[in-house]
Amino acid sequence: AQTVTQSQPEMSVQEAETVTLSCTYDTSESDYYLFWYKQPPSRQMILVIRQEAYKQQNATENRFSVNFQKAAKSFSLKISDSQLGDAAMYFCAYRRKIYNQGGKLIFGQGTELSVKP
Amino acid sequence: SQTIHQWPATLVQPVGSPLSLECTVEGTSNPNLYWYRQAAGRGLQLLFYSVGIGQISSEVPQNLSASRPQDRQFILSSKKLLLSDSGFYLCAWSVRRDNSPLHFGNGTRLTVT
Repeated sequence: AQTVTQSQPEMSVQEAETVTLSCTYDTSESDYYLFWYKQPPSRQMILVIRQEAYKQQNATENRFSVNFQKAAKSFSLKISDSQLGDAAMYFCAYRRKIYNQGGKLIFGQGTELSVKP
Repeated sequence: SQTIHQWPATLVQPVGSPLSLECTVEGTSNPNLYWYRQAAGRGLQLLFYSVGIGQISSEVPQNLSASRPQDRQFILSSKKLLLSDSGFYLCAWSVRRDNSPLHFGNGTRLTVT
């Protein structure tokens, strides 16, 4: 079974600085998808970034980028120029292909990010 | 554009009472639908998923059930709530494409007293 591990329950960053959130996963599959979601205090789940396992190039979305290391099964999220609005719980998630168990999303336990002004 | 509606936003129910949470999706057809539960603000646990009308897959044996009576409607139910059913319930949908993310509703905070 696939598992996702976020080893940092809490992280803190100074406003305008850079922070990296860690995520590792375990799978025997070769083709899958990885996501980072953000959950602010409103508890709305917001997609931050996605990565397709067959793509070697790391995904980037504005201030958010990932470091995808397929062999190491690592998928970290880097937030540059941190802003107060980035404070939230961040979840790493693994998605199987659609034909396999409906393409369900398997989540890590989350990392609570605080941003200091 | 696609939207997902989930209600109610909050619910307080006594132990032993029934439960019905509803989720509907607009602006798409044949979506995959999912129910997740989040306890204590931590990781999300998949409860049920559905790939079509009347097709329900259960991930975790429990006191809950799910139904999909229409293409874009997903219902989470219980005949008798337990204290352990308290939590934050999230409905989600996705198109049937591998790289599609899940899109979540705003969630229901359920407190069983």
